[in-house]
Amino acid sequence: QQQVKQSPQSLIVQKGGISIINCAYENTAFDYFPWYQQFPGKGPALLIAIRPDVSEKKEGRFTISFNKSAKQFSLHIMDSQPGDSATYFCAASISGGYQKVTFGTGTKLQVIP
Amino acid sequence: DAGVIQSPRHEVTEMGQEVTLRCKPISGHNSLFWYRQTMMRGLELLIYFNNNVPIDDSGMPEDRFSAKMPNASFSTLKIQPSEPRDSAVYFCASRGGGTYYEQYFGPGTRLTVT
Repeated sequence: QQQVKQSPQSLIVQKGGISIINCAYENTAFDYFPWYQQFPGKGPALLIAIRPDVSEKKEGRFTISFNKSAKQFSLHIMDSQPGDSATYFCAASISGGYQKVTFGTGTKLQVIP
Repeated sequence: DAGVIQSPRHEVTEMGQEVTLRCKPISGHNSLFWYRQTMMRGLELLIYFNNNVPIDDSGMPEDRFSAKMPNASFSTLKIQPSEPRDSAVYFCASRGGGTYYEQYFGPGTRLTVT
């Protein structure tokens, strides 16, 4: 019940295209959903996050869409650029107390020119 | 701020040897996490400290793994004896009270056990 399922495992998108990564969860107690971006040889870094009281959050070219009833959320990268090539992790957490973050398995994105 | 600092960045050791990984969290952060990342298992939480106290070590694979946080600015993860299946990238992350949810990851230590 603590799992966060992420798909696809890998994704190749042409420059200028839209990259879409999907995640699903089971535990309805999760109330914070961050996305982390990891470049080769680096640690993951927070990219964007959403609370379940909103259905969408946008920061620049990155948008999180959240469907509470379906227990799904997704990351959309508009106008994808080669510099966006990285591994993306969705995650979920429960506020209060420990706030342990449960990570998805990651999506390796490659944006080709 | 220099961010989370980990050392060494790379470690190659032989099976059976003791390995110690080090982490310096961001100054002022009161939570520290150790993660292990492999292709097969992804990013796994090993142990979580809050105010230098271990709160959750359920992710520590077995007794060969131990972690300490003697003060707010230093933590170690020790593997003794090491085995080839311990080969992975180990990350340390810290979190402060002001950044309620965000964990700041270090650059990681790539461990290879031959």
